[in-house]
Amino acid sequence: GGIITQTPKFLIGQEGQKLTLKCQQNFNHDTMYWYRQDSGKGLRLIYYSITENDLQKGDLSEGYDASREKKSSFSLTVTSAQKNEMAVFLCASSGTGQDTQYFGPGTRLLVL
Amino acid sequence: QQKVQQSPESLIVPEGGMASLNCTSSDRNVDYFWWYRQHSGKSPKMLMSIFSNGEKEEGRFTVHLNKASLHTSLHIRDSQPSDSALYLCAARGSGYNKLTFGKGTVLLVSP
Repeated sequence: GGIITQTPKFLIGQEGQKLTLKCQQNFNHDTMYWYRQDSGKGLRLIYYSITENDLQKGDLSEGYDASREKKSSFSLTVTSAQKNEMAVFLCASSGTGQDTQYFGPGTRLLVL
Repeated sequence: QQKVQQSPESLIVPEGGMASLNCTSSDRNVDYFWWYRQHSGKSPKMLMSIFSNGEKEEGRFTVHLNKASLHTSLHIRDSQPSDSALYLCAARGSGYNKLTFGKGTVLLVSP
């Protein structure tokens, strides 16, 4: 088995601020993902990475940057936080040839 | 852009009853479906996956897939209050690394 950890658990920011979320996995999975979930609804893909230093845009990449520093870690940056923004950001990973995704516990973002 | 539609948006079933959830993809290249369950305040956990026509059963959970219509359904028999959660359907297009998720069905099992 393995585990995905996300830091921080809660993130409170100011409008216009640049905010960074981090994700680590010890599954030794190749592919990692960042999703945004609003109000307990469906997941929207922001960025994904199929290997170290690779980046692929999802459907919601505008306003975000990502970085796959090494195989086990994937970071997401909110480039300019929007006032009253509230969402959960979920990190996930999957192994080669196995598309089942395993999710981290999430980072809850609130922008004041 | 592939869309995954789930219905109903929400569902209330009595304890011990049968819950039926539906999911359809608009992408003809989809070859694999997943069902995830997400309890309130928690992260999604994979429940079942299916890629062959027909049905697959695991305990109280049964998944059906009709590849011709790109429709999958999840059935939960003898529903328990602990089954109350958001159920997410995800589909993968052939050759792609990513999944497309539907907006989910909120299931409430009333004691």
